[in-house]
Amino acid sequence: DQQVKQNSPSLSVQEGRISILNCDYTNSMFDYFLWYKKYPAEGPTFLISISSIKDKNEDGRFTVFLNKSAKHLSLHIVPSQPGDSAVYFCAASPTNDYKLSFGAGTTVTVRA
Amino acid sequence: NAGVTQTPKFQVLKTGQSMTLQCAQDMNHEYMSWYRQDPGMGLRLIHYSVGAGITDQGEVPNGYNVSRSTTEDFPLRLLSAAPSQTSVYFCASSPPGYRNTIYFGEGSWLTVV
Repeated sequence: DQQVKQNSPSLSVQEGRISILNCDYTNSMFDYFLWYKKYPAEGPTFLISISSIKDKNEDGRFTVFLNKSAKHLSLHIVPSQPGDSAVYFCAASPTNDYKLSFGAGTTVTVRA
Repeated sequence: NAGVTQTPKFQVLKTGQSMTLQCAQDMNHEYMSWYRQDPGMGLRLIHYSVGAGITDQGEVPNGYNVSRSTTEDFPLRLLSAAPSQTSVYFCASSPPGYRNTIYFGEGSWLTVV
């Protein structure tokens, strides 16, 4: 049973607009959340993370929001650029643990 | 700096054959792991190691063996390949204390016919 869920398999957005990717989790022991970006034929690369003691973390065009009570996090990309077209994976790990549980991924397509 | 290197990149196996996917990292990372990626499933942890001589099972370990004789290398062995093991395999490594600094290799595409 998947403990991390990304219910939207794909997202299409116009260049310059906001992309919002959603992720839900079920394990209350998760305290660290990450987003990875993956291009075809490459390995995933780290994008941004957030600890459970925060509700927001921002890095340039990327912002992750965490709602612990709802067990929900989201990734905002503003503004979206063509190079953002990729698969985005949400991941989570429990306290003091390197093991990651991944969602199924959301394929983002940024239209010119 | 090569990072995490996986070989081979592509492999076709017949059912019942055995093979080893190689993984090496040159960053002196203690933590290494293997994931498989399947459509609609994301990445699932197969086996992991927190240091030389120490390995443990992840979420989907059946049909796979690992060993960690050195810090640098973490090979994944398929003992008797099955079509259900057709997947993309990723090796990853991380230094201690940095849970967000997990580096992935470029992947190994395996098809079992």
